Amino acid sequence: KAGVTQTPRYLIKTRGQQVTLSCSPISGHRSVSWYQQTPGQGLQFLFEYFSETQRNKGNFPGRFSGRQFSNSRSEMNVSTLELGDSALYLCASSLETPGNPQYFGPGTRLTVL
Amino acid sequence: TQLLEQSPQFLSIQEGENLTVYCNSSSVFSSLQWYRQEPGEGPVLLVTVVTGGEVKKLKRLTFQFGDARKDSSLHITAAQPGDTGLYLCAGAPAGTYKYIFGTGTRLKVLA
Repeated sequence: KAGVTQTPRYLIKTRGQQVTLSCSPISGHRSVSWYQQTPGQGLQFLFEYFSETQRNKGNFPGRFSGRQFSNSRSEMNVSTLELGDSALYLCASSLETPGNPQYFGPGTRLTVL
Repeated sequence: TQLLEQSPQFLSIQEGENLTVYCNSSSVFSSLQWYRQEPGEGPVLLVTVVTGGEVKKLKRLTFQFGDARKDSSLHITAAQPGDTGLYLCAGAPAGTYKYIFGTGTRLKVLA
């Protein structure tokens, strides 16, 4: 089975721009979660989607949004980028039952200049 | 707030030494996972523990789930430089859909 894939792997943007990141989960996994990871804050939960619905949301501003498609692929969008949005963005997929392990993609490294 | 506290936060040891990382919570978990993450990559699943008191061994790594399913530990025997990385425990508190990660333990094993 193919693992979780994320595109692009690296991205450089400037302040004020917006960005869309993509995640393809493991086949059969319907839950997709997004995380932001920075050296200072560790792994911060952004949101989780299950069957095209946002099931959980972390404490991030409304500039961070996401969606999930019928094939379970997911995208996250960040609008009006700020310098502090520079981070590794990780996507993880899992089976639907709570507490199932999550399988991570390699991440997208976003740099905001 | 449901938290998973890990200790220690940082650990730097010599090759061949043993170490233990702890993961504690006030919440009960139906299961807990341990992950290892290397710089610039996503965390990789090491193990899942499900039953209170369960002990799982993966080569030199021993994982234990507390009897009350509120805590877990990871013990590494004869650490090697390849064990270097960020170790994370994680799980969903029983009855919730929210999957939470521990605060992390950054391990460096010196040759």
